[in-house]
Amino acid sequence: GEDVEQSLFLSVREGDSSVINCTYTDSSSTYLYWYKQEPGAGLQLLTYIFSNMDMKQDQRLTVLLNKKDKHLSLRIADTQTGDSAIYFCAEVDGSSNTGKLIFGQGTTLQVKP
Amino acid sequence: KAGVTQTPRYLIKTRGQQVTLSCSPISGHRSVSWYQQTPGQGLQFLFEYFSETQRNKGNFPGRFSGRQFSNSRSEMNVSTLELGDSALYLCASSQITGVGTYEQYFGPGTRLTVT
Repeated sequence: GEDVEQSLFLSVREGDSSVINCTYTDSSSTYLYWYKQEPGAGLQLLTYIFSNMDMKQDQRLTVLLNKKDKHLSLRIADTQTGDSAIYFCAEVDGSSNTGKLIFGQGTTLQVKP
Repeated sequence: KAGVTQTPRYLIKTRGQQVTLSCSPISGHRSVSWYQQTPGQGLQFLFEYFSETQRNKGNFPGRFSGRQFSNSRSEMNVSTLELGDSALYLCASSQITGVGTYEQYFGPGTRLTVT
């Protein structure tokens, strides 16, 4: 079945760039998403990319999509301590023809001052 | 525009009881999805509603049910609660286009604790 994989932990220094990686299996996904979750909170939509795009930039965030390798990455420029959170990659389940999202297990980003 | 609201935010129930959670989507959004988040299983899809119809259902037992009203508000119900139902229940609101959903926004969640 469909699966989304992420590394579990990333630690960076404040001011550095962070790159969070994700691999997915469903080549028919139309949209791929990045969400941020802070402790005790819900999911905050950071950005999404349509499957016919290779890159999307939104202020400090850059999303790269490699459809051939089914690889998605989120780059956060000038990472701040406020960026410390869990980041989830998600794909739309292309087989269901609905909005069902399949999530990775989340990457915990730790930003050291 | 107001975001997705979920009530209640926190709930403590006893095994065997039933619970109803509520979700109000963003104004104009007609699709509502529910997810369960636990440390062990991560984020799991429960069901999706669009225009009062269930469009998709995840792999959960029949104790989990939901519905959507004509104003797009949605409720989910869990009957005969088990300890394993303790989780954060998240609701997502979205618009649907011809090529699929996009901009799925989540509420703050309802933290359910079953004792």
